[in-house]
Amino acid sequence: QVQLVQSGAEVKKPGASVRVPCKASGYTFTGYHIHWVRQAPGQGLEWMGIINPDGGSTSYSQKFQGRVTLTRDSSTSTGYMELSGLRSEDTAVYYCARGDRGTLYFDYWGQGTRVTVSS
Amino acid sequence: QSVLTQPPSVSGAPGQRVTISCTGSSSNLGAGYDAHWYQQLPGTAPKLLIFGSTKRPSGIPDRFSGSKSGTSASLAITGLQGEDEADYYCLSYDTSLSGWVFGGGTKLTVL
Repeated sequence: QVQLVQSGAEVKKPGASVRVPCKASGYTFTGYHIHWVRQAPGQGLEWMGIINPDGGSTSYSQKFQGRVTLTRDSSTSTGYMELSGLRSEDTAVYYCARGDRGTLYFDYWGQGTRVTVSS
Repeated sequence: QSVLTQPPSVSGAPGQRVTISCTGSSSNLGAGYDAHWYQQLPGTAPKLLIFGSTKRPSGIPDRFSGSKSGTSASLAITGLQGEDEADYYCLSYDTSLSGWVFGGGTKLTVL
């Protein structure tokens, strides 16, 4: 069965960076995109960016351009989201989600990683 | 301010029917891109309910249905049950932003 498994919670200081892994299993890793979505406490869902594991091409939301970097390691079927210059407003749950290349929706989601930014 | 507009909240009694709207523009739903709907129970990841505006993944009850017309889409839930109490989000692609956009979310309360 398709699974996306993320790491546990992180606590970071303002100005630091965080790198969140997303390990995929149960399907061909290079056959689907990986999206990253975040949700601040009590807020809605916000799309951050997409990576095509087949080649590594990326596209980012303008809001996060310059601060977010998506990468992947096809040998371990793992995608990574790195967010730099953390500030308190980046405190949120970060989700990875599998994207269907043809139909533009996200079908499977990771369980989420809570990132807290606090001095 | 979300690119896709949803009502903040809706409510209904058990057994009733409710609808949740998702209003976009000519750069997303109006450009022919589909709406997709997600259900998020408290403390859990979103779950796909409707894709391609009208299709249900296997395992989703037919009490859930979707429709789309022009720059708007809707999610309908019939035979409301207590377990339907959750947040619901619409998703689409936006050509102006060259990326994906979510609605602001709608909290469904089962009275």
